[in-house]
Amino acid sequence: RKEVEQDPGPFNVPEGATVAFNCTYSNSASQSFFWYRQDCRKEPKLLMSVYSSGNEDGRFTAQLNRASQYISLLIRDSKLSDSATYLCVVGGSQGNLIFGKGTKLSVKP
Amino acid sequence: EAGVTQSPTHLIKTRGQQATLRCSPISGHTSVYWYQQALGLGLQFLLWYDEGEERNRGNFPPRFSGRQFPNYSSELNVNALELEDSALYLCASSDSSYNSPLHFGNGTRLTVT
Repeated sequence: RKEVEQDPGPFNVPEGATVAFNCTYSNSASQSFFWYRQDCRKEPKLLMSVYSSGNEDGRFTAQLNRASQYISLLIRDSKLSDSATYLCVVGGSQGNLIFGKGTKLSVKP
Repeated sequence: EAGVTQSPTHLIKTRGQQATLRCSPISGHTSVYWYQQALGLGLQFLLWYDEGEERNRGNFPPRFSGRQFPNYSSELNVNALELEDSALYLCASSDSSYNSPLHFGNGTRLTVT
């Protein structure tokens, strides 16, 4: 099993749609989880941390399932500006962060 | 507050040359990370420095090296450049807390011809 695994997509959705991404991780001892957003040829930017109880930030909801070792990101009411690659990030065993390869989202008018 | 700054923005070198990339972390951050992102690919972890020490290293050959200075800024050196070293090199910083989120600079786009 890869350390962090994501469906590369692309997910093509219309404006206003709800879309969800999942990410699985292999290290059951991981304590830190994040979602980053990366626009084409730009640096990744922190979207949100993922907490055990789940957390919400506006239209974005993140969930953690430790038993099944996956995290999810839900985007409601998609906007054109949400088009980007979403990176799942998990804490590694040596204190560094492990990045997934990303899921590409394209929101169409 | 200034973010992570990287220089130069673009760098063009020929095969066999050496490249030096620089990074200044966010004020108060002691950890610096380097990642390579080739076109269309994911982030590949290169190096992690904290408090001047190399903490971890990705699966890259020894010609990729770096250091962290007393002011926590960092330098990435790539010797004997190869065509496949062409990529976006991203530097990120974090505070010293375990598994803190990373904050990225704009990157240095290295082109090897």
